[in-house]
Amino acid sequence: AQSVTQPDIHITVSEGASLELRCNYSYGATPYLFWYVQSPGQGLQLLLKYFSGDTLVQGIKGFEAEFKRSQSSFNLRKPSVHWSDAAEYFCAVVEGGTDKLIFGTGTRLQVFP
Amino acid sequence: GAVVSQHPSRVICKSGTSVKIECRSLDFQATTMFWYRQFPKQSLMLMATSNEGSKATYEQGVEKDKFLINHASLTLSTLTVTSAHPEDSSFYICSARYQGPQETQYFGPGTRLLVL
Repeated sequence: AQSVTQPDIHITVSEGASLELRCNYSYGATPYLFWYVQSPGQGLQLLLKYFSGDTLVQGIKGFEAEFKRSQSSFNLRKPSVHWSDAAEYFCAVVEGGTDKLIFGTGTRLQVFP
Repeated sequence: GAVVSQHPSRVICKSGTSVKIECRSLDFQATTMFWYRQFPKQSLMLMATSNEGSKATYEQGVEKDKFLINHASLTLSTLTVTSAHPEDSSFYICSARYQGPQETQYFGPGTRLLVL
């Protein structure tokens, strides 16, 4: 069965610093991968997605992610974090043969001024 | 585009009563919608997949008779928590699948249910 691992439960960065959130997946074929962001008490907003093609994907709010098949990873990056980026970030993969999303456990990002 | 709404955003009810939560895709048609439950500081747990015009498919361990799902139109799915109890208190989130070249789920803002 497919799975998604987000190794970092909680990350703290200073405003203006660069950010990388890790995501690893297990899936035999080419996965459909997503990053979502959730602010407290809110639903999930799609940041970006990868289906095929260019392995470096640009998303909203200045985020990007790189699909690395050799490492089974889809890490999320941002060159300069803003205080408004503080939120919970979820990596997800579509389960093969279905349309279900399998979520990682999430990474909580805290931003200090 | 691809906006999903939920109503109500927050509901408080007495134990034993039923609560209905609506999920609407506002600017696209969704043949498939999903219902998730999220406990504090945890990830989303898929409860069921709702298909327009047919019965919902429930995940293992989710009680069908307790969580009634209806997907009567291409833009509306409802989740009814029947005979709610305090342990049903949670954050319920729906999503609608946008069928295009790259199928993607778009999420509603969630409904906070508190059962007293």
